[in-house]
Amino acid sequence: DGGITQSPKYLFRKEGQNVTLSCEQNLNHDAMYWYRQDPGQGLRLIYYSQIVNDFQKGDIAEGYSVSREKKESFPLTVTSAQKNPTAFYLCASSTEPQETQYFGPGTRLLVL
Amino acid sequence: KQEVTQIPAALSVPEGENLVLNCSFTDSAIYNLQWFRQDPGKGLTSLLLIQSSQREQTSGRLNASLDKSSGRSTLYIAASQPGDSATYLCAVNTGGFKTIFGAGTRLFVKA
Repeated sequence: DGGITQSPKYLFRKEGQNVTLSCEQNLNHDAMYWYRQDPGQGLRLIYYSQIVNDFQKGDIAEGYSVSREKKESFPLTVTSAQKNPTAFYLCASSTEPQETQYFGPGTRLLVL
Repeated sequence: KQEVTQIPAALSVPEGENLVLNCSFTDSAIYNLQWFRQDPGKGLTSLLLIQSSQREQTSGRLNASLDKSSGRSTLYIAASQPGDSATYLCAVNTGGFKTIFGAGTRLFVKA
């Protein structure tokens, strides 16, 4: 069964802590994305990657970092520099940048 | 700067009614437009993708239209069912990795 998995479903962050959100896909897609969703707002792009070992900042990259060491995996780290991290985080992938994006189930990040 | 607006923010209809969801965008230079469905606390599911050269796409009870010149798209849902209750988002791709999402319309279909 092809798809995108994200873990954990819920994540709690303490003050000053870095946390990492996992995203894995077995769709053989080259392009992968991270979005942030806040209530009443559209999705905003954090980072994207077109190929392994290459990634680019999106509209709201400050306080976040990513890596793309494998085609299947695109983890997102929320660093302590991100002062308002509470949100719903969505990972997506596509064959080409402008083609249909397939989304994972999301991770909800809460601050303790 | 491309902006995508969806009005209304929420809509409640009785079961069986045909309905239209609206999406407007400010810049007609788009590559494609996509409609997604999102259930509470879940990821997005792609419903329909319309290329810039197309006027409409259909899938089952769903029909999406695109009018680039006026910056509008509509999603028509025929014979609505309680299972259609969800948030519907439209997204405009302006080329490459740049996709702009609307905030969505939350639909509630009453049994």
